Amino acid sequence: DADVTQTPRNRITKTGKRIMLECSQTKGHDRMYWYRQDPGLGLQLIYYSFDVKDINKGEISDGYSVSRQAQAKFSLSLESAIPNQTALYFCATSDPGDNEQFFGPGTRLTVL
Amino acid sequence: QKEVEQNSGPLSVPEGAIASLNCTYSDRGSQSFFWYRQYSGKSPELIMFIYSNGDKEDGRFTAQLNKASQYVSLLIRDSQPSDSATYLCAGHDMRFGAGTRLTVKP
Repeated sequence: DADVTQTPRNRITKTGKRIMLECSQTKGHDRMYWYRQDPGLGLQLIYYSFDVKDINKGEISDGYSVSRQAQAKFSLSLESAIPNQTALYFCATSDPGDNEQFFGPGTRLTVL
Repeated sequence: QKEVEQNSGPLSVPEGAIASLNCTYSDRGSQSFFWYRQYSGKSPELIMFIYSNGDKEDGRFTAQLNKASQYVSLLIRDSQPSDSATYLCAGHDMRFGAGTRLTVKP
């Protein structure tokens, strides 16, 4: 079984809809991250969490919110989706003693 | 301006050649850097990290860090078609460059 899972893997939605992307991990890592990837722009950090009670904004947090429900779960919400939020979204985890990040398989989101 | 800049390429090299990928950064306090490889349609995976000035070698891969000039590079020796992927540079603060797409032609 994969260590970092994301659901759904693909989602098509309409402008104005609320969307939640979920991430779960079995690695036992305290740190979790959400990134979006657009062609030619690499990975951009949206939010990150170093433990259950810690939430931090990244480079591009506007229009997004997150919830850290447990050590193993970190959800990303788009309260009112817009077309320029169409992208590939990755969740990642890491251990405090090791900066290597482990990525989930990604969620491809299309906002029409 | 992104804190970590990469030449987005693309870069094409023949099989067996050395591929050189470069990254510059703006934060002089940055202590460590990471190189991730991302195959098309897949998620990134770590291939090298470097904390100290100088070179770090792992098999066909060599990471180089020059803190005075604020650049970090990745050399791939004896490039293989299986090395064809996008290579992403990242700083310790989880900020990534745009990535460089590498194609190794047989």
